[in-house]
Amino acid sequence: DTGVSQDPRHKITKRGQNVTFRCDPISEHNRLYWYRQTLGQGPEFLTYFQNEAQLEKSRLLSDRFSAERPKGSFSTLEIQRTEQGDSAMYLCASSLLYGNTIYFGEGSWLTVV
Amino acid sequence: DQQVKQNSPSLSVQEGRISILNCDYTNSMFDYFLWYKKYPAEGPTFLISISSIKDKNEDGRFTVFLNKSAKHLSLHIVPSQPGDSAVYFCAASDGANNLFFGTGTRLTIIP
Repeated sequence: DTGVSQDPRHKITKRGQNVTFRCDPISEHNRLYWYRQTLGQGPEFLTYFQNEAQLEKSRLLSDRFSAERPKGSFSTLEIQRTEQGDSAMYLCASSLLYGNTIYFGEGSWLTVV
Repeated sequence: DQQVKQNSPSLSVQEGRISILNCDYTNSMFDYFLWYKKYPAEGPTFLISISSIKDKNEDGRFTVFLNKSAKHLSLHIVPSQPGDSAVYFCAASDGANNLFFGTGTRLTIIP
């Protein structure tokens, strides 16, 4: 399967703990995106990379959130000192450099208890 | 401020009939529109898209119509099949680097 893959698919963590999600984009895609989706809402943009450069961050991305894409391939999204409000599905997506269509992974569900 | 709106949270359609899902947007800078289909606990799957220079795009059973003057687009599915039951999201791009999504419409196809 050559689609966007995310790991883990589900994570339950205690409030205050740190969590990290990994995303492997479609191999030839230069752009990688992180979105968050809560129940009853559409996906909301968090941040995006072009190769290894993080070019845009949403105001939704508080200081507790950090994303990296060290070699322009896979990416990680870390949430420090998790709060219950962080419970959501975290979606990774990728696209070609000049492509208009963004392809999503299956998402990583986070539950903070 | 929701720039992309899907005002119908749910829609039920008889199998074999046409399903019409609607989407409105407010930002006149949007130049590319997409529809995604989402099953529970999965990520959105790209379905069909349309550029603002067109008013119709067709792919098999799926057709997207764009009315720029009304800032409205719709997705037609005909004939509707049970496997089409899912949540459908409309999304729009302003040519920058992210998509703006609506809140989704849950489509249920009744056998």
